[in-house]
Amino acid sequence: QSVVTQPPSTSGTPGQRVTISCSGSSSNIGRNAVDWYQQLPGTAPKLLIYNNDQQPSGVPDRFSGSKSGTSASLAISGLQYEDEADYYCAVWDSNLSGRVFGGGTKVTVL
Amino acid sequence: EVQLVESGGGLVKPGESLRLSCAASGFTFRGHTMNWVRQAPGKGLEWVSSLDKSGVYTYYADSLKGRFTISRDNAKNSLYLQMNSLGVEDTSVYYCAREGPTGDFDLWGQGTLVTVSS
Repeated sequence: QSVVTQPPSTSGTPGQRVTISCSGSSSNIGRNAVDWYQQLPGTAPKLLIYNNDQQPSGVPDRFSGSKSGTSASLAISGLQYEDEADYYCAVWDSNLSGRVFGGGTKVTVL
Repeated sequence: EVQLVESGGGLVKPGESLRLSCAASGFTFRGHTMNWVRQAPGKGLEWVSSLDKSGVYTYYADSLKGRFTISRDNAKNSLYLQMNSLGVEDTSVYYCAREGPTGDFDLWGQGTLVTVSS
């Protein structure tokens, strides 16, 4: 059981907006920056959002991140079939002195 | 080309050891903290270990119980993971990941599969 929790799955139709939550505590999300990763089937993870809400170059601007208190969210606006993947949040946990990943959320495009 | 290439994975028996390598190219390796992350078949990502630029400061996941050792050779642009007393629960794809300025993992290798089975 991870110290940061994500819903196991979510779905949407093309063009819809979907959000994925990442819930933690004062020792992780409450004091440190959150990152988000996309993992397409059979491939390595890819950085999607860093420092809570920053996009690396090359990431479509339909992906956005936010953080409030001990929770963070990833939003995908204008969902596309190519967005079908697993999404993970990650954050440093100051009590554990280690990085923790959420359990992952599988996004299905209907 | 900026890339990380892992190697050294394979099939081992419970209790045996294995050493993974990660070769970096296309960027200043000595300027980055480096990490290992693993993923068991059909499961999520699990952070394993981190090593700072100089190779002095190490961090490990509590679940490893002192069995793994991370190291690096900046002259060879390489990161290593020595894994001892392997158990079936260590069966995973092991990824090498570069750490960016804000602690994110901004570059990943393709992974190397470690299978522990009798």
